[in-house]
Amino acid sequence: DTAVSQTPKYLVTQMGNDKSIKCEQNLGHDTMYWYKQDSKKFLKIMFSYNNKELIINETVPNRFSPKSPDKAHLNLHINSLELGDSAVYFCASRKDGALYGYTFGSGTRLTVV
Amino acid sequence: AQSVTQPDIHITVSEGASLELRCNYSYGATPYLFWYVQSPGQGLQLLLKYFSGDTLVQGIKGFEAEFKRSQSSFNLRKPSVHWSDAAEYFCAVGGSSNTGKLIFGQGTTLQVKP
Repeated sequence: DTAVSQTPKYLVTQMGNDKSIKCEQNLGHDTMYWYKQDSKKFLKIMFSYNNKELIINETVPNRFSPKSPDKAHLNLHINSLELGDSAVYFCASRKDGALYGYTFGSGTRLTVV
Repeated sequence: AQSVTQPDIHITVSEGASLELRCNYSYGATPYLFWYVQSPGQGLQLLLKYFSGDTLVQGIKGFEAEFKRSQSSFNLRKPSVHWSDAAEYFCAVGGSSNTGKLIFGQGTTLQVKP
């Protein structure tokens, strides 16, 4: 059983399109995250939800909108895609409490052409 | 400002040799420190973590790390590297806030020579 699963794994799309990435975790964790990994492999947090409540909203263009229908799901919708959005997007989850590290999904490689 | 610095972008070691990956952090409160490994095309896997207590922590795959508060460092070590250890390694720092936000270093690429 995959603990944190993301779909799709690869996404190639044209500039200006709207796309969504889905994430699901079956660990019973309380908090979920979206991180962006750029071409230099730098990881930057974008959003976080705790029990469907947005708790982290970093400086991200408002073309990016997260949605958490329930505790186990966190989706990322991107409007009007730009070339600079090309990256690997990682979903992660964590059980509440600072003692716990993240469990990461395997990533979605987004390529905007 | 909170930050993590991994001074070595790329390290090459011979199989069987010892390994040390450096990590320095800047964090205003008590830091919680993590090391993650990322194999090509994969997500990140937690190797080990430090919160308090013994400053030498053991992790999976034979890795260990030592927390040195005076040096603001959390270096990762392995006595004998295997070819399968070739990967990207990330150090991260967080705190006790409810958000669990982690700040990652820029990563160190480990190459293992046969």
